[in-house]
Amino acid sequence: DTAVSQTPKYLVTQMGNDKSIKCEQNLGHDTMYWYKQDSKKFLKIMFSYNNKELIINETVPNRFSPKSPDKAHLNLHINSLELGDSAVYFCASSPLRTGGPYEQYFGPGTRLTVT
Amino acid sequence: GDSVTQMEGPVTLSEEAFLTINCTYTATGYPSLFWYVQYPGEGLQLLLKATKADDKGSNKGFEATYRKETTSFHLEKGSVQVSDSAVYFCALSDRNGGYNKLIFGAGTRLAVHP
Repeated sequence: DTAVSQTPKYLVTQMGNDKSIKCEQNLGHDTMYWYKQDSKKFLKIMFSYNNKELIINETVPNRFSPKSPDKAHLNLHINSLELGDSAVYFCASSPLRTGGPYEQYFGPGTRLTVT
Repeated sequence: GDSVTQMEGPVTLSEEAFLTINCTYTATGYPSLFWYVQYPGEGLQLLLKATKADDKGSNKGFEATYRKETTSFHLEKGSVQVSDSAVYFCALSDRNGGYNKLIFGAGTRLAVHP
């Protein structure tokens, strides 16, 4: 059983299009995240949701809109795609508890290529 | 803000060599520290973790000790294998108002040759 799954694995699209990436976790976790990994492998958080509520929103263009229909799903919709959006997008989840260690479990990633 | 600094790669070793990947951090509080590994074409896997000073995380022959006095969390393995070739990320957990986000280092690519 896949703990954190993402679809699609690869996404190739043209500038100006709108696309969505889906994420699902079956770990029973309360919190989910989106991270972006650029071409140099640098990872940066974009968003975090806890029980369908947005709790972290880093400096991300408002063309990116996360949506959480329930606590097991967190989707990422991107409007008006630009060349600079090309990257690998990772979904992650973690339990919410006091103390820690707050480890996060990652999905396999979605490689987005904008042409 | 909080940050993580890793040694630049690539690190190239022969099989059975000793591995050290340096990681230092800056943080205002008491973060948890992690090492994640990314094999080619795959997502990130948690390799090991430590939650407080002097904790030692270990897994699959890899070890790292949380050193508060030197703000370090260096990754070590006594004898690497070709299958250890991957990108290794050091990360800290920034507890932002009770919720956490991971802040990653830039990653260190390890290549192990037979």
